[in-house]
Amino acid sequence: EPEVTQTPSHQVTQMGQEVILRCVPISNHLYFYWYRQILGQKVEFLVSFYNNEISEKSEIFDDQFSVERPDGSNFTLKIRSTKLEDSAMYFCASIKGVGQNSYEQYFGPGTRLTVT
Amino acid sequence: RKEVEQDPGPFNVPEGATVAFNCTYSNSASQSFFWYRQDCRKEPKLLMSVYSSGNEDGRFTAQLNRASQYISLLIRDSKLSDSATYLCVVNREGTSYGKLTFGQGTILTVHP
Repeated sequence: EPEVTQTPSHQVTQMGQEVILRCVPISNHLYFYWYRQILGQKVEFLVSFYNNEISEKSEIFDDQFSVERPDGSNFTLKIRSTKLEDSAMYFCASIKGVGQNSYEQYFGPGTRLTVT
Repeated sequence: RKEVEQDPGPFNVPEGATVAFNCTYSNSASQSFFWYRQDCRKEPKLLMSVYSSGNEDGRFTAQLNRASQYISLLIRDSKLSDSATYLCVVNREGTSYGKLTFGQGTILTVHP
């Protein structure tokens, strides 16, 4: 069964450094998302992406964040200058967007980001 | 009022028990509704979509009441492997392809 994959599984970085989190959505999916979950808290939406542009972003997704789909398979989240409060689990998700069950979002295994 | 509200639990039940989770949502224009399960430090996994007519998948039954803005999940004949956090999830209004809004989750522990 096709899956969303994410790399790395765990990233440790120092405050102020740039990080890039990578995701490979399910191959025939059209809509892509990033969410984050701070330890002990609920899953929060960051950004959605469709047709090579951002569809919607949350208040969390400020100028320090950017997303890109550099080729036909990868979908990346960049944090330019990490802060301690960026420490969280980051999940990528995707949906088909067409056909049956087109709106069901499937999540990758996540990248645990630790900012020290 | 929280966008999606769940009883956080925890629910501790013996194997074989029936357990029900409830959820309310605040936005009456919400389009799509889901239950996900999340194991500790893992990703949310789609358990089932929730339809107005109600739907069942094996031991799991989900119900939606749009008038009351209420969603439920019933688990029959609980197994040890059902132990997880159950997330009530709602899609925002206007589109089915938009962001998901998650509840805090209800913790379920099934014991022998």
